[in-house]
Amino acid sequence: QQPVQSPQAVILREGEDAVINCSSSKALYSVHWYRQKHGEAPVFLMILLKGGEQKGHDKISASFNEKKQQSSLYLTASQLSYSGTYFCGTEMVGTSGSRLTFGEGTQLTVNP
Amino acid sequence: KAGVTQTPRYLIKTRGQQVTLSCSPISGHRSVSWYQQTPGQGLQFLFEYFSETQRNKGNFPGRFSGRQFSNSRSEMNVSTLELGDSALYLCASSLLGLGNGYTFGSGTRLTVV
Repeated sequence: QQPVQSPQAVILREGEDAVINCSSSKALYSVHWYRQKHGEAPVFLMILLKGGEQKGHDKISASFNEKKQQSSLYLTASQLSYSGTYFCGTEMVGTSGSRLTFGEGTQLTVNP
Repeated sequence: KAGVTQTPRYLIKTRGQQVTLSCSPISGHRSVSWYQQTPGQGLQFLFEYFSETQRNKGNFPGRFSGRQFSNSRSEMNVSTLELGDSALYLCASSLLGLGNGYTFGSGTRLTVV
C-alpha cells in the first residue's frame, strides 16, 4: 500500500519553512525520507522507527506519529540546496526482510 | 568509502531482447534492493536480496528476475523487453535491510525501442 504524501509540490523563498506529510493506512515499522535532485539518485536523509521518534540534522527534522501512521518532514530556514523531490518510504509491520514502499514524492522548489 | 556502483549507466535495447543490469553495493552491506523509476509510476519496488536469498518481491511480471552473489553484488535481468520497460533502474544497498537506511546507486537508464 503506497503511502500518501502531501503537498504534491511547494514553492518557497529562501529562508522560509516547509512541512511535508506522509501517511499510511497500514501499521508501520519505519519511515524513511529521501531527497532526489533532477538527474541524480535519491539520497537518504533519515529513518524513523516506530515509537514516536523525532530526528533531525542541520535544519531538517522529522517526526513519526505511530498512532496515526503519519510522518512529517520539517525544513526550516530553507536554502537553495533544499530544492528537489522528497520521497517518504515506509516499511510495514510484519514484513519479512525489507520492502520499502515510496510515496509519489513532493517537489520542493526554493527560489532566491 | 565507495558508494553503490551500477553498470551500465545507459542502455538502448530493442523490443524482445533481454538485458542484465549490475549493482555493486557498499562494502559490508548485505541487503540489495532494486527499484524501477518512471515519471508516471514513481519508485516501484522490484525485489530485495540478502545473503543470496530473495526475501521480497514486488508486483512485476516474471520477466523481471534477479540474483545476488556471495560477495553481495547483484544483477537483475529483464527478458522479452517491452516498450513499457523503459525506465531508470535503481539499486540500493543497506547494512541489514529492515530498519536501516538505503544508499542508492546512480541508476541504469534503460530505453527500449
